Amino acid sequence: ETGVTQSPTHLIKTRGQQVTLRCSSQSGHNTVSWYQQALGQGPQFIFQYYREEENGRGNFPPRFSGLQFPNYSSELNVNALELDDSALYLCASREGQLDTIYFGEGSWLTVV
Amino acid sequence: AQSVTQLGSHVSVSEGALVLLRCNYSSSVPPYLFWYVQYPNQGLQLLLKYTTGATLVKGINGFEAEFKKSETSFHLTKPSAHMSDAAEYFCAVSEAGGSTLGRLYFGRGTQLTVWP
Repeated sequence: ETGVTQSPTHLIKTRGQQVTLRCSSQSGHNTVSWYQQALGQGPQFIFQYYREEENGRGNFPPRFSGLQFPNYSSELNVNALELDDSALYLCASREGQLDTIYFGEGSWLTVV
Repeated sequence: AQSVTQLGSHVSVSEGALVLLRCNYSSSVPPYLFWYVQYPNQGLQLLLKYTTGATLVKGINGFEAEFKKSETSFHLTKPSAHMSDAAEYFCAVSEAGGSTLGRLYFGRGTQLTVWP
């Protein structure tokens, strides 16, 4: 049990649509990051938020955006979905910058 | 820039045999190193991590890994494989400082199969 909860667990969207994925972290976990894991690949860093501000971004286009809220929850939004966006999206959180990172179970997104 | 190479996308061993999963990294600064395990349709579970100090790190489920700076390696081992060890294993590296502190760079993963 990592204390990181993601929703929904599975969803199917149509190309061009928008999706919001949600994550709830443990109390006190000020840093949250999102990763995309395509089938057969390792997770790829999308971005990171610290105290509600984005403080790091991977090689993903602007249509991938996020929000972090004071209650330790966060969102990943993806606009104009493409077929290649089909993947497992993982949320990870930690309390301090060097602390252990805890991952959620992930949200499986299929774009058709 | 950080990168991780996991040698062998698939490793098969018999139950009771030694497990060795290889990981090499590149990093311009002292790294933090991690091994994660992923069971089917689940998220990532931390097996062990190296930050500073002793280079031989012991983790959960009998796994251990040794940080070898001269070889830029962090191979994962377990003396005796169990059927329940069958899963995907990911090696990851993170910088110990700088603007990307905490960002994990993952390898492509190694699928471990354990035969009875």
